[in-house]
Formats: sequence, structure tokens, C-alpha cells
Amino acid sequence: AQTVTQSQPEMSVQEAETVTLSCTYDTSESNYYLFWYKQPPSRQMILVIRQEAYKQQNATENRFSVNFQKAAKSFSLKISDSQLGDTAMYFCAFMKSIQGAQKLVFGQGTRLTINP
Amino acid sequence: DAGVTQSPTHLIKTRGQQVTLRCSPKSGHDTVSWYQQALGQGPQFIFQYYEEEERQRGNFPDRFSGHQFPNYSSELNVNALLLGDSALYLCASSLGAIKKLFFGSGTQLSVL
Repeated sequence: AQTVTQSQPEMSVQEAETVTLSCTYDTSESNYYLFWYKQPPSRQMILVIRQEAYKQQNATENRFSVNFQKAAKSFSLKISDSQLGDTAMYFCAFMKSIQGAQKLVFGQGTRLTINP
Repeated sequence: DAGVTQSPTHLIKTRGQQVTLRCSPKSGHDTVSWYQQALGQGPQFIFQYYEEEERQRGNFPDRFSGHQFPNYSSELNVNALLLGDSALYLCASSLGAIKKLFFGSGTQLSVL
């Protein structure tokens, strides 16, 4: 079974600093997708970034980038020039396709606080 | 362009009761998935609906059932509520095989 592990329950940095959130996963599949979602107090899960396992190039979305290490099954998220609005729970997720259905398996989350 | 909308936002029920949660997918999306998020945990997959049929189911008992309507909206029904069913229920929509899910803000269910 696929599992996703986020080893940092909480992190706190100063505004404008760079922060890296860790994620490891376990799977025997060769083709899959990995995601980082952000959940602010509004509770809505917001997609931050997506990585396709068959692509060697790390995904980037503005201030957000990932370090995808397929052999190590590691998928970390780097937030550059952090902003107060980045304060939220961050979830790493693995997407598994089962008979055409797409199922997300989430980690336990990391609570990120950006301090002014 | 409306995103994924869920209703109600909050709900309080007592043990043994039944509840229905509703979800309207993002415009143009045809697939709806439901997730349960217990306090302090990551969401867990309940099931996914496509073309009005349950396509895949997570490790949840038969007390959890769903439905998808021709307009792609969906309902999640939970019978014989238990205290442990208290959680945030999230709906997510997507289009076909495109691997990108968009979530609503959820329904917070409290079972007393």
C-alpha cells in the first residue's frame, strides 16, 4: 500500500526567509503523480504544485519549487521569499490510479507559520 | 467561474442519525471524489463518482454511500452516525483522467 510521510509536524520561519518542507513516500509503481496542497484556516485544499514521476525536471510555480528524488522516494517543497499568507497546513499527496479512478493518499501534514 | 461548492458548511447531529452532504463540482468537471479529514489528520479517500457510478471506494463501511446526478453534482450520505464520524468532509472535482483535483471548503460534521 502507498504511504506518505511528513516528518515535520510544525515549522516556523520569518517573513522573506526560505523554508523547505519534507515528504517521503512508498510505492512500487513506476508512473505516478505527487502533489503539495495548502490548507489555510478557510479549510479549502489549494493545489500548490504537481510533479509527474516520469519527468526528471523539478516542477516550479513562482515562489514554490520541489526537489523530486525518485530513487530516494523523496518530494520536498521549497518556499522562497515566504509571505504571511503562506501560513497554513501543507499536505504532501501521492496519486494512485485504480481502474480509472484517481485516489489521493495524503501525509499527516506540516503546520507552517510565517512570522512578521 | 464557480469553484467546488459544498453545503452545508457546518452540521451538528446526534448518534444514530443520518446525514446528507452536498457538492457541486467546478464548472466543466465530471468526476467527484469525497474525502474525510479527522482533526489533525490528512484527508482519507471515501469514494469517487463518474458517470453517476461509484468508480472506486476507500476503506469505509457501507454506512457511507453516495450518489452522482446527471448534472455531475453529488451527495454523500452517512447512516447510523457514530461519534467517530465527526470530521471535515471534503469534496473534490476533476475532469476525466486529468490528474488535478480541485477541492471545496468542506462540511464540518459534529456528532454528539
